[in-house]
This record gives sequence, C-alpha cells and structure tokens, in this order.
Amino acid sequence: DAKTTQPPSMDCAEGRAANLPCNHSTISGNEYVYWYRQIHSQGPQYIIHGLKNNETNEMASLIITEDRKSSTLILPHATLRDTAVYYCIVRVPDSGGSNYKLTFGKGTLLTVNP
Amino acid sequence: GAVVSQHPSRVICKSGTSVKIECRSLDFQATTMFWYRQFPKQSLMLMATSNEGSKATYEQGVEKDKFLINHASLTLSTLTVTSAHPEDSSFYICSALDRAQRGPQHFGDGTRLSIL
Repeated sequence: DAKTTQPPSMDCAEGRAANLPCNHSTISGNEYVYWYRQIHSQGPQYIIHGLKNNETNEMASLIITEDRKSSTLILPHATLRDTAVYYCIVRVPDSGGSNYKLTFGKGTLLTVNP
Repeated sequence: GAVVSQHPSRVICKSGTSVKIECRSLDFQATTMFWYRQFPKQSLMLMATSNEGSKATYEQGVEKDKFLINHASLTLSTLTVTSAHPEDSSFYICSALDRAQRGPQHFGDGTRLSIL
C-alpha cells in the first residue's frame, strides 16, 4: 500500500471549514484514498473515499489533486464534536479477504476550538 | 448505515483469566472481520484477519495461541485473550467488511481491556 503523510496536529475554529491535507505521492493507479476519523475512546468512523474525482457526502468533501499525489479532506463547518484523529489511508478496494486490511498511520489530531 | 457492535465495551479482570470479546455485524453479512489493538497515544495495529468458516490470518508477532479468533457465522467473530496479563491491557477494536459490497470497513466502538 502507498504510504501517506499527514501533519500531526491542526487547529480549527468552530464554524469554520477544516482542511486536512494528506500526501500520497507513491499512490498507484488503482488505489483509492480513504478517510477515517477516531474520536477519543471510540472505534474509527468511515468518512469518505475517492479514486480521482472529488467526492462529497453528508459529512465531508474530498478533493484529490489531478496527479493524485495529494488530497484534502474538508469539513465545511467544523463543530466541537469533530475534534478527533483523522486518518488518510490509501488502499485498493478489494471485495474481501485479508488483502483488504487497512494500515493506519499516526493521522492528524484536529482540535476544534470554541 | 452499516453497524458493527462490539461487546463488552469495557472489562476489568485478574491476571491469568481469559477474556472473550464479541464483534457483530448488525445489518449486513461479513465474510471478513478484522481485529485491531491500540495502545495509549498510538495508532491502530492490525492483529489478525478473521474469515468466516476458516482459520484466521495473524499478523507477524501476534501469537495465535494467545489471541484465539473464531468466526463461526457471517455476523459474528470472537476474540479470546487467553491467560491475560497486564501487558495485554489495551483497546481492542474490530471491523467488518460487507460481503455484498466493495465498500469501506465499518468499525465497532472498541473494548477497553484492563488486566490487574
């Protein structure tokens, strides 16, 4: 799996957009970018994933650069409950089996301040 | 949305006892489930991959006789920590993959295991 690089921490004001960057310069053509977050003492929560087009759902938007070497997760209006560690993971979306294991890095601790 | 339930959420027990943790997919069938461990201020580390009807695949350095995994149905996988010791105290998290979709893994809320 391609390796990802994320800043260790970021701060954001409540109500503002939170933009979390991720570098994945060694990503291969069939690898997707997945984002999960982990609120303290809970299991990771799936946020969004994409291949090359920008994606948006009810939680966030994912912007992937044209060369696919980096991406940005955008939380449009951050709330205090968005404080969490955000993980960017690059992976081939197999349909099942042990090949689908996720490798978690250290992620970015996003702190949303009042 | 897909829901994975993990039980118990917290357990405290004496050194030497065995502890069983259950992971259930509530609204989908999971051919594959995964077990992770997370120590304080560290990231999740995959321990093993649990496949329904077959033996689990363990990651390097994880003792299969210490961490027994059973995946007897498409909605249930169990992890048993045998003869637990204080160094086994950790946050154990499971995840499940919907067999019908090429979708993302969904995680349980974890089990906080404390061995005295």
